[in-house]
Amino acid sequence: GESVGLHLPTLSVQEGDNSIINCAYSNSASDYFIWYKQESGKGPQFIIDIRSNMDKRQGQRVTVLLNKTVKHLSLQIAATQPGDSAVYFCAEISWVQAGTALIFGKGTTLSVSS
Amino acid sequence: NAGVTQTPKFQVLKTGQSMTLQCAQDMNHNSMYWYRQDPGMGLRLIYYSASEGTTDKGEVPNGYNVSRLNKREFSLRLESAAPSQTSVYFCASSPRQGIHSNQPQHFGDGTRLSIL
Repeated sequence: GESVGLHLPTLSVQEGDNSIINCAYSNSASDYFIWYKQESGKGPQFIIDIRSNMDKRQGQRVTVLLNKTVKHLSLQIAATQPGDSAVYFCAEISWVQAGTALIFGKGTTLSVSS
Repeated sequence: NAGVTQTPKFQVLKTGQSMTLQCAQDMNHNSMYWYRQDPGMGLRLIYYSASEGTTDKGEVPNGYNVSRLNKREFSLRLESAAPSQTSVYFCASSPRQGIHSNQPQHFGDGTRLSIL
């Protein structure tokens, strides 16, 4: 079946560095993608989304890039801070019987050291 | 703002026991979802409710039932718990669901369920 995956299960960076978290998706028909951040003991928290008619979208300290040619999604975090330490999931919209649901990748654990 | 509230936060059950996980949202969202998350995995959809009065199966529905009690509340029931259902369960909601509806889901903080 279709799936969304991440390239690396863990990523360690120094405080102040820029972080790049990658995600590959397999459903070329997907037209909406979301990045979530999940801290320990919490539910996933929405970070940023992007639609397939865009290549790039910027938020506060975060940028999502979408390359539809190679079906690749990335999340860039500028000036990474210890509070950014969490598991990051990409998700894509998938069609189910009555509408849409999210298909999640397995997650990348970001560790930020000061 | 509470957002999505799940109860209980933790529960331990014996094999064969039944249990209902509760979820309520105060954002006036139409669509609600139940996911499970296992170690090292992303979230997998169990059931969802596109709108009040409707429910549909997701990726892993076996062993579960759901009830969309009203627009605010969506419960998940385990009729006869099995050790394989040990997991963290997340409820989520979104404003609306449909072919042209691309909107993020908002999640609760989860129920950690252990089946012995």
